[in-house]
Amino acid sequence: QVQLQESGPGLVKPSQTLSLTCTVSGGSISSGSYYWSWIRQPAGKGLEWIGRIYTSGNTNYNPSLKSRVAISVDMSKNQFSLKLSSVTAADTAVYYCARDDYGDPTVWGQGTLVTVSS
Amino acid sequence: ETVLTQSPATLSLSPGERATLSCRASQSVSGYLAWYQQKPGQAPRLLIYDASNRATGIPARFSGSGSGTDFTLTISSLEPEDFAVYYCHQRYNWPPLFTFGPGTKVDIK
Repeated sequence: QVQLQESGPGLVKPSQTLSLTCTVSGGSISSGSYYWSWIRQPAGKGLEWIGRIYTSGNTNYNPSLKSRVAISVDMSKNQFSLKLSSVTAADTAVYYCARDDYGDPTVWGQGTLVTVSS
Repeated sequence: ETVLTQSPATLSLSPGERATLSCRASQSVSGYLAWYQQKPGQAPRLLIYDASNRATGIPARFSGSGSGTDFTLTISSLEPEDFAVYYCHQRYNWPPLFTFGPGTKVDIK
């Protein structure tokens, strides 16, 4: 049973870079034809797809965030990561990592709250 | 970008009643529409994929229908654990720009 777990700072200062890591357990990140995604949800609001990465390194990003986002994968650690630069209060949200099956997130992490504040 | 609109925003029903939730896309997404359930403090859970296929372990009281721009999630008889927020999600766009609807909250009447 594949499980995902997000980790990273819960507080980031405005204009800095948000960095999160998702650790995959119960299976290899490189097995199967899966993409690995990041999705976020501001408090009390809906879900926003941030982007995804394939184990080949191929990435797709939400155009609204593309200039600030980078997703990478480390197969040796069975992890993938998110970096979001130049953050503002509008980036405060619960961030989820997920396994993407042909575009549908099917296995989700529990989520981690990131607050942008000085 | 394909915009998904969900209605109603809130649905107040009693256990045992039938729930009908709607999702409309601003352009055709063919059959590439999924439904998720989210409870407070939890990650979303996939219920339905490709408009009408139940995900593994999802009870038969959940069903999905539709194609193109109009989709429906039906819960045939609400159980207490079904009171939650439901989101639709499309994966049709290429290059990928996957989007979610704003959600429908099903609460207890």
